[in-house]
Amino acid sequence: DGGITQSPKYLFRKEGQNVTLSCEQNLNHDAMYWYRQDPGQGLRLIYYSQIVNDFQKGDIAEGYSVSREKKESFPLTVTSAQKNPTAFYLCASSMGATLWNYGYTFGSGTRLTVV
Amino acid sequence: SQQGEEDPQALSIQEGENATMNCSYKTSINNLQWYRQNSGRGLVHLILIRSNEREKHSGRLRVTLDTSKKSSSLLITASRAADTASYFCATVHYGNNRLAFGKGNQVVVIP
Repeated sequence: DGGITQSPKYLFRKEGQNVTLSCEQNLNHDAMYWYRQDPGQGLRLIYYSQIVNDFQKGDIAEGYSVSREKKESFPLTVTSAQKNPTAFYLCASSMGATLWNYGYTFGSGTRLTVV
Repeated sequence: SQQGEEDPQALSIQEGENATMNCSYKTSINNLQWYRQNSGRGLVHLILIRSNEREKHSGRLRVTLDTSKKSSSLLITASRAADTASYFCATVHYGNNRLAFGKGNQVVVIP
């Protein structure tokens, strides 16, 4: 079955530690996105990528980094510079390099907690 | 703010009733989309309506779009307990080709 796989489902980070969230899709979608969701809030865009080896900052990119070396994969690193990383992280993809004309397919999310 | 804003924020209804929620936005859109999120899960795409469309249906879902009022509504007919979820509207605006999400509308369907 085609879809997006996010791992791990739960992740705990110590202060000052970098962690990487995995996102893999087998939908042959061109565009991929990372969103952050805080309790009772909407989704805020962290980074997005329209094609391999290219990505753009979203609205809250500070303290995060990404790479897009393969079409199927778009990992997100939460660095120690992100002061409030506890949140639910969602990865999504959409068909085509044109961002706006298709619905997004979402993964099931990674819940990151700072301990 | 370009993002959609849902109204009401929370809705509790009896099974079998219809549920209606609204979304408003401030600037012209290319399209508007509705998503559902079950607790602790990812979002599921429900319907996309383009700026030149006024109404779309998908099963028990009906979405309307009024670009003159900059608003959209999502109607769920004959609700079921399984419809309990948060519903988000998301907008794509001309000149800013990103999907901007509202804060969501929590719907509880009581069996």
